[in-house]
Formats: sequence, C-alpha cells, structure tokens
Amino acid sequence: EAGVTQFPSHSVIEKGQTVTLRCDPISGHDNLYWYRRVMGKEIKFLLHFVKESKQDESGMPNNRFLAERTGGTYSTLKVQPAELEDSGVYFCASSHPLRLGVDTQYFGPGTRLTVL
Amino acid sequence: ELKVEQNPLFLSMQEGKNYTIYCNYSTTSDRLYWYRQDPGKSLESLFVLLSNGAVKQEGRLMASLDTKARLSTLHITAAVHDLSATYFCAVASITNFGNEKLTFGTGTRLTIIP
Repeated sequence: EAGVTQFPSHSVIEKGQTVTLRCDPISGHDNLYWYRRVMGKEIKFLLHFVKESKQDESGMPNNRFLAERTGGTYSTLKVQPAELEDSGVYFCASSHPLRLGVDTQYFGPGTRLTVL
Repeated sequence: ELKVEQNPLFLSMQEGKNYTIYCNYSTTSDRLYWYRQDPGKSLESLFVLLSNGAVKQEGRLMASLDTKARLSTLHITAAVHDLSATYFCAVASITNFGNEKLTFGTGTRLTIIP
C-alpha cells in the first residue's frame, strides 16, 4: 500500500510569488490534514478535510493560504503571495475514519518551503 | 488551549545506555501518539496510547501514559545506532467541529554515539 505522498519535496521561491503544494493521501482515507513546522517550532495543525469538505480550518494562519480537495482525493495548499515567515516544512497526513476506534494519522515526508 | 511540552530537545547518548523522553500536556486527553522521523522522511507512527496506565513496547522502545499526571514517557533501553532520529509526542483532542486534531511537542533529536 502506497503511503502519503507530497510534491514537491523542496521549493524555493521569492517573497511575493505563489507556490502550490500537493498531497496525495492513502487511498480510501477520507480524512486529510495539513500541518506546518516553522524553524525551531512545533508542528502545528493547519486544517482538516473530510472527503472534499473543509471540516476545520482553524489553524490556517491568514487568507494568503488556500487549501482545496476537489473530488475528495488529492489536496493542494496554495500560498499567495508568499512571505518570509511562511518558510518551513508542510506536512500532510491522512487517516481512515475511526478504524478500530483509533484515528491514527499517517504522514507524508513533507514539503520544505523556503521563501527568500 | 492545549500545550504539549517535550524534553529534552536534544539527546546524545552512548550505545547500550538507557534513557527516557518526557511529554507533558496541559489539558485532559485520552489519546497520545509517539512518532519517529528520520531526516527527510515521513513521521512514522510508533505507538498510540489510549488509556491511563497504558504501556506499549516495541523492541527497545517502551511508551507509557499517565492521564492523571498528564504525562507520557518514551523509554529507550540499551540504545543502538539505528534508533537515532527525531521523536515527537502528539496529543489528540476533539475539536468543536468533531474532528481529531493533534498537538505536537517540539520533538527530541536523539543521537546514539557508538
């Protein structure tokens, strides 16, 4: 079974540019999460999809961030325009709803975003 | 707001030694995860602890949960080099929207020295 994949693995852009990150969850996982780790800080929750619906976007830092999950499969996270403080590692995770009562989230390898 | 404190941040230890990583959290939760991350790789789920007093062991790693003290520990026994990695604890909470959200500790970068 393929794990969670993310693309690209690294992205270097200039301040003011736009970047789109992609996440492909494990097949059949309805839950999809985005997290972010900025330098030296904790991994922090950004938002949660159930299928194609945004269930909780309370962690999104501001309106420069837009997440979508059309069709309930892969998801994209767009940052427009990017700022220096957006640099960090963006993780995606997916889970099967309440399998055996445990909602273990399986993480992708992350996308390292550097904004210059 | 849930806060998760993990310590130490960095840990260098010799092969064969024992050590413990600590994870304290601020509000009630009955589900706690331990993850391992190798550089450039995914976070790999090691343990999920579901109830007070839960103890799980896999190889040289043992995790425990005390929900009354709001404390989890990850104990490493007779460390070997391939345990070098960053370890994260993550506490689950159910949001107002009904979903499970993870709040992570800062991570412990463990280096095993031959």
